[in-house]
Amino acid sequence: EPEVTQTPSHQVTQMGQEVILRCVPISNHLYFYWYRQILGQKVEFLVSFYNNEISEKSEIFDDQFSVERPDGSNFTLKIRSTKLEDSAMYFCASSPRQPPEQFFGPGTRLTVL
Amino acid sequence: AQSVAQPEDQVNVAEGNPLTVKCTYSVSGNPYLFWYVQYPNRGLQFLLKYITGDNLVKGSYGFEAEFNKSQTSFHLKKPSALVSDSALYFCAVRGRGGGNKLTFGTGTQLKVEL
Repeated sequence: EPEVTQTPSHQVTQMGQEVILRCVPISNHLYFYWYRQILGQKVEFLVSFYNNEISEKSEIFDDQFSVERPDGSNFTLKIRSTKLEDSAMYFCASSPRQPPEQFFGPGTRLTVL
Repeated sequence: AQSVAQPEDQVNVAEGNPLTVKCTYSVSGNPYLFWYVQYPNRGLQFLLKYITGDNLVKGSYGFEAEFNKSQTSFHLKKPSALVSDSALYFCAVRGRGGGNKLTFGTGTQLKVEL
């Protein structure tokens, strides 16, 4: 069964550094998402992406964040200058042609020191 | 704004007994509703969804959920719990008015004991 994959599984970085989190959505899906889950808290929406542009973003998704689909398979989340409070589990998700269910990857745990 | 409430942080049930994990929602118009399960150090795994039609929805691993519009609830149920069902369960809602973002509840830890 096709799955969303994410790399790396764990990323440790110093405050102020840039990080790129990578995702490979399910191959025939057209809608892509990033969510995050701070330890012990609920899953929060960051951004959705369709047809090579952001279709919706939350107030968390400020200028420090960006997303890109650099080729036909990868979907990336970049954090330009990480802060301590960016430490969280970041989940990528994708949807087929007709949403609404979203299929999630295993997550990347980001630790900012 | 859409929101989800899961009133129980933890539900304990004996193996073989029925289980219920509660969820209520708030959204403009008719909702799309979902249940996801998260095992330790794993991602969110889709269990089931309500889109339209029959209020009783069946999903993976013997789980089902009942949509109740008047009570704005979407409780997750299983007739006979297994120890392997122990995990963190999230309810999520999405409105139909445009935008695909899911809004999640805070999660309910299900513990099934022998």
